[in-house]
Amino acid sequence: DIQMTQSPSSVSASVGDRVTITCRASQGISSWLAWYQQRPGEAPKLLISLASNLQAGVPSRFSGSGFGTDFTLTITSLQPEDFATYYCQQANSFPLTFGGGTKVEI
Amino acid sequence: QLQLQESGPGLVKPSETLSLTCTVSGGSISTSSYYWGWIRQPPGKGLEWIGSMYYSGDTYYNPSLKSRVSESVDTSNNQLSLRLTSVTAADTAVYYCVSWATSTGTFDRWGQGTLVTVSS
Repeated sequence: DIQMTQSPSSVSASVGDRVTITCRASQGISSWLAWYQQRPGEAPKLLISLASNLQAGVPSRFSGSGFGTDFTLTITSLQPEDFATYYCQQANSFPLTFGGGTKVEI
Repeated sequence: QLQLQESGPGLVKPSETLSLTCTVSGGSISTSSYYWGWIRQPPGKGLEWIGSMYYSGDTYYNPSLKSRVSESVDTSNNQLSLRLTSVTAADTAVYYCVSWATSTGTFDRWGQGTLVTVSS
């Protein structure tokens, strides 16, 4: 199984801050990486596919980068609605696996 | 727009079988674009993929659950089902029905989720 390790597990930030979350795969996954946002009490929402492709309707302050084993989700100018937990997910091979999550909090 | 809705008992006794159904609307489950499946999330914890199934029957399961899980697709009713046998308290979680896009490998549609508690 491919293990996905996210860091940090939590980050404290303020509105307007830039936040960077990293995700490391235990083996190379090319660009087969997705990012999700989960607000409390809600289902996760897909933000980015194939490492850097922003989903329709997702604000441009979100961006993703990386290839192989190391990936990054960046949120520029954090907004109140961005306080949530973020998960990465590898789609290179079964079983599909998620990172442990990063909670972005005030 | 594709929508997924889970249904099933919210309480299951230990050692019994958890059964959930997901109804897909706004699109056909018999599409080449998606696998259909389940993800669960124990209270306060992260996401765990359970399995994904193509409408024709091709199925992938998480090895950690493979001995206890089965999924099925009912194309005539546009539904998918999950069965998890011999449940314990560790199976208590919110269970999400999801569509898995084959082109990107992403879970691009999620149901609202249903909490299943395993308790006597």
